[in-house]
Amino acid sequence: QVQLEESGGGVVQPGRSLRLSCAASGFTFSRSAVHWVRQAPGKGLEWVGVISYDGSNKYYGGSVRGRFRISRDNSKNTLYLQMNSLRVEDTAIYYCARDWDSSSPTWAFDIWGQGTMVTVSS
Amino acid sequence: SSEVTQDPAVSVALGQTVTITCQGDSFRSYYASWYQQKPGQAPLLVIFGANNRPSGIPDRFSGSQSGNTASLIITGAQAEDEADYYCCSRDSSGNRGVFGGGTKLTVL
Repeated sequence: QVQLEESGGGVVQPGRSLRLSCAASGFTFSRSAVHWVRQAPGKGLEWVGVISYDGSNKYYGGSVRGRFRISRDNSKNTLYLQMNSLRVEDTAIYYCARDWDSSSPTWAFDIWGQGTMVTVSS
Repeated sequence: SSEVTQDPAVSVALGQTVTITCQGDSFRSYYASWYQQKPGQAPLLVIFGANNRPSGIPDRFSGSQSGNTASLIITGAQAEDEADYYCCSRDSSGNRGVFGGGTKLTVL
């Protein structure tokens, strides 16, 4: 069964750090670009960033650039999102999502995890 | 500009056809992808590329694109199609994604 499963969410104070994980199964993770997408409570979707299949290329959305870092461990079939200097406005459900094209990112996300909630609050 | 705009809400009578649109300069260069999201669920890809449906998506869903506008068409809307719909594309750099603000579809 093709799936992604996020973990690591929770409540954190502003300015602190948190690392999310996304475990992949049922497909060849090492051949897939993977994205992070978030959704603040009651709001729309926001693209956070993407990492290429081999980790050589990473791109980030403007609101997180310089604070968040995406990495992957293909030997563990796992994607990570390191979130530093967290702000109240980073409060959201964070989803990992696979890009449908294995050769290069197309920003079409065919497999999504169930999401993990991050709450930034003092 | 990397902005993508969507109508906040659209309604359709049961069995009728509805078009949900996204506008933005990005669609002159890149295809849109479309997502359906129901309350408490993760988004679901319904259309990508020129007009491709993932396995399991009913053929009443289709997509088209012209100029700066991308469209999701639902032909013969069903009650279960009531959901939020989002389009996604890339910004002018080609390396960053951008979502539309979402359209809430009501099936009457």
